[in-house]
Amino acid sequence: DIRMTQSPSTLSASVGDTVTITCRATQNIHHWLAWHQQRPGKAPKVLIFKASKLETGVPSRFSGSGSGTEFTLTISSLQPDDFASYYCQQYTSYPLTFGGGTQIQIK
Amino acid sequence: QVQLVQSATEVTKPGASVKVSCKASGYHFQSYNINWLRQAPGQGLEWLGWIRVSNGNTKYLEHLQDRITLTVDPTTPTTYMELRSLRPDDTAIYFCARTDYADYIDSWGQGTLITVSS
Repeated sequence: DIRMTQSPSTLSASVGDTVTITCRATQNIHHWLAWHQQRPGKAPKVLIFKASKLETGVPSRFSGSGSGTEFTLTISSLQPDDFASYYCQQYTSYPLTFGGGTQIQIK
Repeated sequence: QVQLVQSATEVTKPGASVKVSCKASGYHFQSYNINWLRQAPGQGLEWLGWIRVSNGNTKYLEHLQDRITLTVDPTTPTTYMELRSLRPDDTAIYFCARTDYADYIDSWGQGTLITVSS
């Protein structure tokens, strides 16, 4: 199985900050990576697919990059709605696997 | 719009079985697959299995495959996840999620809390 590792696991930031989350895969997943946002008590919501493509309706302050085994999610100018948990997920092979998550907290 | 609506919260006992439903609407049901995932309290996301709704083919997480069954009723259209021989560590929120031909999750159900407790 492909193991996904995210860092950091928690991140404290303020409204207006720019933050970056890193995700690493144990083998080459090309660009088959998605990022999901999960607010407390809610289902996840997909933000980015194919490493860098924004899902319809997702604000442009979210961006993704990377390929192969290393990927990043950047959120520019954090908004109050962005304080949530974020998960990377590979879909190059089954079982689909997720990173452990990054929780963005208000500083 | 695409909607995946799941059945309600359940509380059940160790050793019992549970069957969770996921009713789809707003898209051509046969063109996508349905995955099931879970999230234990305070934990991350774990993929459990996948069903190709066009033909009923399934794929399961290896360590669960003797306890889990996914089925589909294309007439309603609803998919079901049954989990048997429940243990306390099966306590989690269970999600269904749609994937396209590239296996990309693009929609999630709202989640169903299953609590296993004596």
